[in-house]
Amino acid sequence: GAVVSQHPSRVICKSGTSVKIECRSLDFQATTMFWYRQFPKQSLMLMATSNEGSKATYEQGVEKDKFLINHASLTLSTLTVTSAHPEDSSFYICSARGQGNSYEQYFGPGTRLTVT
Amino acid sequence: AQSVTQLGSHVSVSEGALVLLRCNYSSSVPPYLFWYVQYPNQGLQLLLKYTTGATLVKGINGFEAEFKKSETSFHLTKPSAHMSDAAEYFCAVSRAGGTSYGKLTFGQGTILTVHP
Repeated sequence: GAVVSQHPSRVICKSGTSVKIECRSLDFQATTMFWYRQFPKQSLMLMATSNEGSKATYEQGVEKDKFLINHASLTLSTLTVTSAHPEDSSFYICSARGQGNSYEQYFGPGTRLTVT
Repeated sequence: AQSVTQLGSHVSVSEGALVLLRCNYSSSVPPYLFWYVQYPNQGLQLLLKYTTGATLVKGINGFEAEFKKSETSFHLTKPSAHMSDAAEYFCAVSRAGGTSYGKLTFGQGTILTVHP
């Protein structure tokens, strides 16, 4: 149980275009999802916290207009990188937390974004 | 605020040797502590966690960790390394309550190399 999927696993896009990454909880309902960014050989940095049916909460320094997050249902959150630039190339990982008083996060396999 | 420090970005051991990955944390409230493993180009897999109760926690793949409040440490150990243990390991801390409940702060990561 507690499986989280991400789609796509890899994406290459041209500079200036937008790309959408999906994060799904497959066998549980996730009231909260988190989006992380991981640069090569570095740790995970939390970008934003996404709660179903409400606006995402962004961490300091993360541009909310560039990284659009939508959490429209209890099993799906999306991250859209708008007007992507090469510096946005990174590994994006989502995690999902179940309902109730759960503290545990379940991580997706990640999406490798390359902007050319 | 919370923080996590992993001592040693790279640890190398021989197959069959003891694995010790160090983690120290800083938290103003009782923490929840986690160890995750990440294989190349994959998401994170939970190895073990400490919330309350017994300070020595056992996880998957023969790993265990001990919460030492007086030392603010949560070091990860395995008595005998296996080649398949080669990966990157992340220590993380989460608040047990409050507005930041459930948000993870990760350490810098430790790459474990296992030699035949």
